[in-house]
Amino acid sequence: DAGVTQSPTHLIKTRGQQVTLRCSPKSGHDTVSWYQQALGQGPQFIFQYYEEEERQRGNFPDRFSGHQFPNYSSELNVNALLLGDSALYLCASSGRTHLYYGYTFGSGTRLTVV
Amino acid sequence: QKEVEQDPGPLSVPEGAIVSLNCTYSNSAFQYFMWYRQYSRKGPELLMYTYSSGNKEDGRFTAQVDKSSKYISLFIRDSQPSDSATYLCAMSSNTGNQFYFGTGTSLTVIP
Repeated sequence: DAGVTQSPTHLIKTRGQQVTLRCSPKSGHDTVSWYQQALGQGPQFIFQYYEEEERQRGNFPDRFSGHQFPNYSSELNVNALLLGDSALYLCASSGRTHLYYGYTFGSGTRLTVV
Repeated sequence: QKEVEQDPGPLSVPEGAIVSLNCTYSNSAFQYFMWYRQYSRKGPELLMYTYSSGNKEDGRFTAQVDKSSKYISLFIRDSQPSDSATYLCAMSSNTGNQFYFGTGTSLTVIP
């Protein structure tokens, strides 16, 4: 049973560029959440998608946007990259009936902005 | 003030020791409390989940929640070198979907 799959594993981008990160949720999960984890910090909530709509959003600027597809996979897009966007981006999936303890994280995409 | 405060450590203990990890929080709406373990270059892995106040035990791990003091703890008995990782506390409100994480405590168990 595959868990949460994220791609790519690592990415280097130049300041001002745009980036798209991808996530495939665990089989049977229909809700996808994205988190940003800066070095030495805990994950910070970006947003959550359910039924192809953004259900909740954390304190991140509009440069961060997302999408969920009918197969429940999701993308995170970041425009106009800043050096401070360098972080590990984590995708977590869950099912509706086990939202709190069925949260499964992927291994993340490490984004470096230079 | 941060929603969740956690001592980042690092914490270094000999094999077999009892480890105590703690978090404090400020939001009285938090009802769900979790502990995650994160190995280097990996995503967080759920260790323990507790609803409201009380204790929960799972093998060598015990989670405690004291809502009156807004304080949660994770105890690891008979610690093993394989327990060496960063431990993150996380919490959420009854109706919210957002998890609030601590900064994580780095633990090293020395053989």
